[in-house]
Amino acid sequence: NAGVMQNPRHLVRRRGQEARLRCSPMKGHSHVYWYRQLPEEGLKFMVYLQKENIIDESGMPKERFSAEFPKEGPSILRIQQVVRGDSAAYFCASSPIWTSGSNEQFFGPGTRLTVL
Amino acid sequence: DAKTTQPNSMESNEEEPVHLPCNHSTISGTDYIHWYRQLPSQGPEYVIHGLTSNVNNRMASLAIAEDRKSSTLILHRATLRDAAVYYCILPGKIIFGKGTRLHILP
Repeated sequence: NAGVMQNPRHLVRRRGQEARLRCSPMKGHSHVYWYRQLPEEGLKFMVYLQKENIIDESGMPKERFSAEFPKEGPSILRIQQVVRGDSAAYFCASSPIWTSGSNEQFFGPGTRLTVL
Repeated sequence: DAKTTQPNSMESNEEEPVHLPCNHSTISGTDYIHWYRQLPSQGPEYVIHGLTSNVNNRMASLAIAEDRKSSTLILHRATLRDAAVYYCILPGKIIFGKGTRLHILP
């Protein structure tokens, strides 16, 4: 059973370009979470999705950021018109059900975004 | 969301036990206590979780205070590979603080 996969592992963009980050959850997992980690900081929750639904996006910046988890295919975190402050590691995690109790989240290796 | 408090950093000698504390005084009766760790340049990985009773697994032990307002992650015999940032969290969105950076001295 493959773990959570993220690609690309490293992404370089110039200011104003778009960044698309992909996350394939573990097999059988229908819940996906995105986190952002700035250098020397802890992880910060961004968004929680189930298939075709955004459940909680309270951690998402109001502009330029969007996320989706379509019925088929990976979850996508999209950042439009990137700025240098978007440079960070973006981690995706998945779980089989909503992590309100004993179910842990399984994390991918992350995508390291660098904005020039 | 309930919050946790951990020391910023700790040091331990290799092959000695390590006790990583966590305070969660606002924990609710149904909140599990989860521990994750993040090795350098990697995503977090699950370590252990518990509700009321002490828990053991192949990675660590979790000692939970009787009032559940604090817990301690115990690494019985630290190795250099255990050097990481350890996060104590209460699920919901799994809100990560800055965790405890554990340094292992050879």
